[in-house]
Amino acid sequence: GEDVEQSLFLSVREGDSSVINCTYTDSSSTYLYWYKQEPGAGLQLLTYIFSNMDMKQDQRLTVLLNKKDKHLSLRIADTQTGDSAIYFCAEVWGGGADGLTFGKGTHLIIQP
Amino acid sequence: EPEVTQTPSHQVTQMGQEVILRCVPISNHLYFYWYRQILGQKVEFLVSFYNNEISEKSEIFDDQFSVERPDGSNFTLKIRSTKLEDSAMYFCASSNRFFTGRVPYEQYFGPGTRLTVT
Repeated sequence: GEDVEQSLFLSVREGDSSVINCTYTDSSSTYLYWYKQEPGAGLQLLTYIFSNMDMKQDQRLTVLLNKKDKHLSLRIADTQTGDSAIYFCAEVWGGGADGLTFGKGTHLIIQP
Repeated sequence: EPEVTQTPSHQVTQMGQEVILRCVPISNHLYFYWYRQILGQKVEFLVSFYNNEISEKSEIFDDQFSVERPDGSNFTLKIRSTKLEDSAMYFCASSNRFFTGRVPYEQYFGPGTRLTVT
């Protein structure tokens, strides 16, 4: 079955880069997403990557995809206190009615 | 910017009672979803709904659960006889089939309803 794995915690200093990793098992995934969840809030989509891409950059965010190893990462440059949240990677096979499969989420902790 | 809304934000109910969680998806969206997140765990897909019928459902979505779009705007999740283990945050989401925005098949999530079963 489908499974998405993430490490639970990451601690970085303010101003450094954060790299959050994710592995997935479903090789037929079409789109992979990164969502952010702040305390008490819903899920906010940050960025996505299509499965035939290796890299996607969006301002401070860089997504890397290694399809051979089924490894996805999210790099946040110049990490700020406002980046403190739980980050979920999610995959979907197709579009439309398909539900997203989420990882357990990585708590990003920012040290001053 | 249009957003998905959910009511109530917090629902407390006794075990065995029926609950209905309500969602108003984004108006021109065609696909609707329910997810749940048990405290400290990952977000889990429950069900998707398209063209007035269930498109896909997970193993979690058993006979105790049902969904409905009673009118043109609301999308509801009903739990017939709640159990303690149904305590979770329930998220509604909606999407448009086509790539009309910045993200293909982007699912827009509501803020969630926290369900507490006592």
